[in-house]
Amino acid sequence: GAGVSQSPRYKVAKRGQDVALRCDPISGHVSLFWYQQALGQGPEFLTYFQNEAQLDKSGLPSDRFFAERPEGSVSTLKIQRTQQEDSAVYLCASSSTGNPSLNYGYTFGSGTRLTVV
Amino acid sequence: AQSVSQHNHHVILSEAASLELGCNYSYGGTVNLFWYVQYPGQHLQLLLKYFSGDPLVKGIKGFEAEFIKSKFSFNLRKPSVQWSDTAEYFCAVNVITGNQFYFGTGTSLTVIP
Repeated sequence: GAGVSQSPRYKVAKRGQDVALRCDPISGHVSLFWYQQALGQGPEFLTYFQNEAQLDKSGLPSDRFFAERPEGSVSTLKIQRTQQEDSAVYLCASSSTGNPSLNYGYTFGSGTRLTVV
Repeated sequence: AQSVSQHNHHVILSEAASLELGCNYSYGGTVNLFWYVQYPGQHLQLLLKYFSGDPLVKGIKGFEAEFIKSKFSFNLRKPSVQWSDTAEYFCAVNVITGNQFYFGTGTSLTVIP
């Protein structure tokens, strides 16, 4: 498709459950980012891939969070043993360039709203 | 600490009123600056961006923003808002030595017909 696709759109998980969130970036986009947006806040960086390489995971809040992009296209964000504080919208974004000096802005997906009960 | 500040959390305007949303950042060095808009139920969309050159940049839908380096500011403006401008507006900063964006907390704009 023409945009960044994320699934599921909504996810309700019981506390302690594992979840997997999927992101299909724009075809051919080199860079892929995951952001977490809590209610009333701006998006906060989680992790960054350039092709299949995870170049920055400094924003992952704990070792319960894991992201992968094994073939350099689709990415999955996995959260193990979910906690209530994990409730947020998880945004995926992609960019055609891997060169920071040419960063013209991401294309965002619609996000996955995760609610942990 | 490095941060992006949007001082207006909620703004309510009547149609045809002028708009200015403040954005200040605290990063040193060279930055790229962006404004994103999120319409109700939709994803974040790029409104405009600044990299270099003319500090007054024009974006889509009649929006513009001015980069004032000495004030570390990148305020968003529109001379005459419309009901369809009702949305959440986010300022974002990209430090050119890195890839990630730092976002402000957003400003909710409601335009009353």
